[in-house]
Amino acid sequence: KAGVTQTPRYLIKTRGQQVTLSCSPISGHRSVSWYQQTPGQGLQFLFEYFSETQRNKGNFPGRFSGRQFSNSRSEMNVSTLELGDSALYLCASRVAGTSSYNEQFFGPGTRLTVL
Amino acid sequence: QQQVKQSPQSLIVQKGGISIINCAYENTAFDYFPWYQQFPGKGPALLIAIRPDVSEKKEGRFTISFNKSAKQFSLHIMDSQPGDSATYFCAAGTETSGSRLTFGEGTQLTVNP
Repeated sequence: KAGVTQTPRYLIKTRGQQVTLSCSPISGHRSVSWYQQTPGQGLQFLFEYFSETQRNKGNFPGRFSGRQFSNSRSEMNVSTLELGDSALYLCASRVAGTSSYNEQFFGPGTRLTVL
Repeated sequence: QQQVKQSPQSLIVQKGGISIINCAYENTAFDYFPWYQQFPGKGPALLIAIRPDVSEKKEGRFTISFNKSAKQFSLHIMDSQPGDSATYFCAAGTETSGSRLTFGEGTQLTVNP
C-alpha cells in the first residue's frame, strides 16, 4: 500500500504571497490532518478533516485554511505568508473515527521557506 | 494545560547502552500516549503507544513506562543501535480528540558505534 504523499516537497515563497500544499492519504483512510513542524515550536496540530468537513482545529490564525475532497485528498492554504510560516508541513492520515487510538501515518512533509 | 514537556533535548549513547527519554504532562484528560520516531527527511512514524490502564508496555527493544500519579511517561530503548539515531517525540491525546495530538519538544538521539 502506498504511503501518504505530499506535494510539492519543497517550496520557496516571498512574504505576502499565498501557498497551497497537497496531501494524498493512504488508500481507504478518510481522516487527514495537518501539522506544522518548526525548530522553535516543534510539532503543532493545524486541523483535521474527515468526510470533507473540518472536525478539529488547532490554535493557528485564519490565514491557515484547508479543505478535503470527496476522494479524501486534502489541501491546505496559507495566505499572506509571513517569515514565521517557514516550516515543515506534515500531513497525516488514518482510517477514521474520533479516537486518537487509531494510528496516524505521516507523509514526508512539504518544506516551505518564506523569504 | 495542553503542554507535554520532554527531556533531554539531546542524548548521546554508546552502542549497546540504554537510552531513556522522559515526558511529563499536565492535562489529566490525556489517555493516549504514543511515541514517534523521525529520521531526517521523513515524517514521524509511530514507534509504540500506551494507555493509562497499564504501567508498562514493551515491544522488542522499546519499552514505555507510565506513572499516572506523577503524570509522567518515559521511553526506554534497550541495546541501542546506531540505526536508532533519530529524533524521538512523545505525544498525548484523548479518545475523543481525533487526530489532535500534543507533542513534546523532541529528543535528538545519537548512538555511537
